[in-house]
Amino acid sequence: DADVTQTPRNRITKTGKRIMLECSQTKGHDRMYWYRQDPGLGLQLIYYSFDVKDINKGEISDGYSVSRQAQAKFSLSLESAIPNQTALYFCATSGQTGGLNNEQFFGPGTRLTVL
Amino acid sequence: DAKTTQPPSMDCAEGRAANLPCNHSTISGNEYVYWYRQIHSQGPQYIIHGLKNNETNEMASLIITEDRKSSTLILPHATLRDTAVYYCIVRVASGSARQLTFGSGTQLTVLP
Repeated sequence: DADVTQTPRNRITKTGKRIMLECSQTKGHDRMYWYRQDPGLGLQLIYYSFDVKDINKGEISDGYSVSRQAQAKFSLSLESAIPNQTALYFCATSGQTGGLNNEQFFGPGTRLTVL
Repeated sequence: DAKTTQPPSMDCAEGRAANLPCNHSTISGNEYVYWYRQIHSQGPQYIIHGLKNNETNEMASLIITEDRKSSTLILPHATLRDTAVYYCIVRVASGSARQLTFGSGTQLTVLP
């Protein structure tokens, strides 16, 4: 079984609709992240959370919100989807960095299309 | 975090070594060099990281110049499955933020 799972894997929605993307992890990590990727570009950070009570905005948080329901779950919401939010969305996790390794583990991605 | 510069694309023959360069001339003393790769539309995958010494693991080797202003990721025997976008990332390992900043990367194409 995959350590980081995302649902749904593909979603087509209409402008103005509310949509939630879900991420679950079985790695026991405290830190979770949401990124988006546009065609031909690198990843951009949307939100990140270092533990259940911690939520931080990333580079491009406008139009998005998140919820950290539990250590293992981190959801990304688009309250009113717009076409330029069409992208590939990735969830990632990482462990405590009391050591020096910053390795992040990524989910398989959710392809979102907003019409 | 220091900015990195990578060539947009490279080709490599199957079975040969793939050498992917990265320039990070503004790197600070406490910043590490990380490499990730992303196979088409899949989640990025961690490859290797280092501070100043050369590093090797089961996937690749990382060569960092003595002045730390550039580095090279080496895949010793490239296979078709190594075709991916490779990202070089420079960042501190400690501090309040642990997010990774991805640039455009290098598209490596391994040719049969």
